[in-house]
Order: sequence, then structure tokens, then C-alpha cells
Amino acid sequence: NAGVTQTPKFQVLKTGQSMTLQCAQDMNHEYMSWYRQDPGMGLRLIHYSVGAGITDQGEVPNGYNVSRSTTEDFPLRLLSAAPSQTSVYFCASSSPGDAALGWVNEQFFGPGTRLTVL
Amino acid sequence: AQKVTQAQTEISVVEKEDVTLDCVYETRDTTYYLFWYKQPPSGELVFLIRRNSFDEQNEISGRYSWNFQKSTSSFNFTITASQVVDSAVYFCALSEATTDKLIFGTGTRLQVFP
Repeated sequence: NAGVTQTPKFQVLKTGQSMTLQCAQDMNHEYMSWYRQDPGMGLRLIHYSVGAGITDQGEVPNGYNVSRSTTEDFPLRLLSAAPSQTSVYFCASSSPGDAALGWVNEQFFGPGTRLTVL
Repeated sequence: AQKVTQAQTEISVVEKEDVTLDCVYETRDTTYYLFWYKQPPSGELVFLIRRNSFDEQNEISGRYSWNFQKSTSSFNFTITASQVVDSAVYFCALSEATTDKLIFGTGTRLQVFP
């Protein structure tokens, strides 16, 4: 299994450009998430999906769009890049736990995409 | 609102010293989950442990141990006899009961010197 893969690893954009960060997982996980990591701020949730066709906003969704047409893929779209979106982006996936049994599964993270917006 | 606080921004120790990383959380949920992740210099995020809110048993895994105390809303992580390979940023995270959304602390950078 490749686990969670992200492409590209590095990207430089100019302000106003658009692009899509790709994320794929081969573990048949229902849950997928996008986080951004900024110095001194930890990881913050951008968007979230509990299954194909279902997405939800996280803590910092503005400027980003997502869709989930398949279980495997969860692309993140930057509509009009801004310097404030310079960050490292992580995609993660997990399978649902069992709340009744007090069990939640850990999220598996991709290697990250380092994005710079000039 | 849910929140995770890691007050220690950076800790430096010499090899073989014990070190404790603090994590304090806030939540109004009665059922929640706590995690620790490690981010070595290579950048990937590595899962270390999870704990649910109704299991206050402490856990030991080799040189790692975790102390969960609901009374103080803390989930602290201790590394015994630290090694240079333990140098990394460590994140504590909190998850809601039903959605698996993770709320991360700001991380603690641990540097272990030989």
C-alpha cells in the first residue's frame, strides 16, 4: 500500500493563480481531511469529508474548495492564490471508529505539499 | 469551543535525560479522544498514541509514557532516557466524538543533544 500520497511536493505560485493539490489514499478510508501547517500555529483543519459526495468546512476554509467524487481522491483547490496561503499542506485519511465502543482510529497523513505564493 | 494548549514551545535536553511534554485541552464534549503525533525533521507526521475520554489508564510503550488526567484536562507525554532520534516536533491533538476532526496544539519542538 502506498498509503496517503500528495502531489506536488513543492509548488510556487504567483498571486491570483489557481491550482489543485492532489491527495489520494489506497486504504479504502472513508474519512479524509486537509490541514495547513504554519509556523507557531500547529495544524489547522481546512476541509473535511466523511465519504464520497460529502464535504464539510473546517477551521480555515476561506479561499479553498474541495470535492469528493471517489473514496480514494480528495483534491484541494486554491481559486485565487494569496501570499497568506503560503504554507505546508497535509492530507490525511482514516477509517471510522466505533463511538459506542469508545474507539476512534488514528489519521494517516501524507508527506505534505510545500506551497509558496509570491 | 475546543482547544489544545502546548505551552512549551521548545525544550532542549541532553541525551539520557527524561523529558515531559505538556498538553492541556478544553472541550465541552463528554466523549472525546486525545492523540499525540511526532513530526521528525523529515516532515512527516507519525501517530504515537490515542486515548479516549473514559479511559484514564496511563500507558507505557518502551521509553514513552502518557499520563491522562481528566481532573486537570491534561494528557502529558514523557520520554525516558531521551535519545538524539527523539528530536522532533510533538503535537497533541483532540478529536470530537463523531467526526474525527482533529484540533491540534501548536506543538513542542524537542531537541536532544548528544
